[in-house]
Amino acid sequence: DQQVKQNSPSLSVQEGRISILNCDYTNSMFDYFLWYKKYPAEGPTFLISISSIKDKNEDGRFTVFLNKSAKHLSLHIVPSQPGDSAVYFCAASARGFKTIFGAGTRLFVKA
Amino acid sequence: NAGVTQTPKFQVLKTGQSMTLQCAQDMNHNSMYWYRQDPGMGLRLIYYSASEGTTDKGEVPNGYNVSRLNKREFSLRLESAAPSQTSVYFCASRDPLAGANTGELFFGEGSRLTVL
Repeated sequence: DQQVKQNSPSLSVQEGRISILNCDYTNSMFDYFLWYKKYPAEGPTFLISISSIKDKNEDGRFTVFLNKSAKHLSLHIVPSQPGDSAVYFCAASARGFKTIFGAGTRLFVKA
Repeated sequence: NAGVTQTPKFQVLKTGQSMTLQCAQDMNHNSMYWYRQDPGMGLRLIYYSASEGTTDKGEVPNGYNVSRLNKREFSLRLESAAPSQTSVYFCASRDPLAGANTGELFFGEGSRLTVL
């Protein structure tokens, strides 16, 4: 039973346009959500996070939106750049030490 | 600044063989984790250690054992490897200053294991 779901295996966007990556979760006990970025042959690296008491967090070109009623979060990248091409993982944790990840979405940014 | 170091980076095993994946972090983190990454499955938590001296099961612990040797080191052992354990394994640690469940995870570069 996947508690964190990323239903789009891949996404392709044009350079300069907006990339929107989506994530759904089922466990209402999750109170912190994170996005990680992964390049081939490297470990994932932290990108941005949001607490469940907020609905938006912004860091430069990256913004995460949280809709608790829909148990949905999204990552917006504006403007998208070719260097953003990577796999993006959504993750969530619930007042403890476990962090649960989604299956990932592969983003392709075309020049 | 090494961060999280995993060894070996690549390993090929035959079914039934045993091996240990080593992980060490130099960031004074309390919590350490082992994940496996499989196509279409994302990162799945195998075991974690909230602090030195404690270990707990994650989502997919069967077939694995762990040892938190000291604050720096957390090893993952496959006692009798199976083809289903072919995967990329990632070790991670968490910054304690950011709180128990809010701190970002720092990952190693991964260990690619193939079981024939």
